[in-house]
Amino acid sequence: AQKITQTQPGMFVQEKEAVTLDCTYDTSDPSYGLFWYKQPSSGEMIFLIYQGSYDQQNATEGRYSLNFQKARKSANLVISASQLGDSAMYFCAMRPGGSGSARQLTFGSGTQLTVLP
Amino acid sequence: GAVVSQHPSRVICKSGTSVKIECRSLDFQATTMFWYRQFPKKSLMLMATSNEGSKATYEQGVEKDKFLINHASLTLSTLTVTSAHPEDSSFYICSARDGRVDTYEQYFGPGTRLTVT
Repeated sequence: AQKITQTQPGMFVQEKEAVTLDCTYDTSDPSYGLFWYKQPSSGEMIFLIYQGSYDQQNATEGRYSLNFQKARKSANLVISASQLGDSAMYFCAMRPGGSGSARQLTFGSGTQLTVLP
Repeated sequence: GAVVSQHPSRVICKSGTSVKIECRSLDFQATTMFWYRQFPKKSLMLMATSNEGSKATYEQGVEKDKFLINHASLTLSTLTVTSAHPEDSSFYICSARDGRVDTYEQYFGPGTRLTVT
């Protein structure tokens, strides 16, 4: 079974500063993928970034980077230069298997990020 | 990027009636679709996984006779909430992926907010 833990129910960050959202996971699968999604108040799930368990480098997508520490089973999301539009719920998720896996995502409990002006 | 639509975006129905939610992949063939349920301020909980042309696989605790899932084509899956009750009020989100392509990508619909009165 897979488990995703997000220990920060809510986080505040000042505009233009960086913020780290924590995510730890547990799985017995040797191959897996880690995802981060943003969910604004409208409800849509916006894909942010993906990290494969065998990827050698940490994933980056614009202002988003994933701090992947495999031995510690952590996959923290770093948002640089926060913007007011970054205020939303953020979910960490995991899917067993390689990149082409058809298995389902397991989500963490989420972190509500508020960016302060 | 690939687009997944859901219809309706919001629905209010009376207790005891049934309501159907559609999930369509607009520019790719969705060999697998997932249905999630989300309560306010909570995480996404997987309800079922459906593969085109076969019966859906339901998660433990999800009543398959109450939440009917049909995935009759490669672009359409439907979730029917039968004999709805107020406790079925929730946000329902589908996601889809093309299992024939070796990609990690999974696309979410915008969600359907169901209110049962």
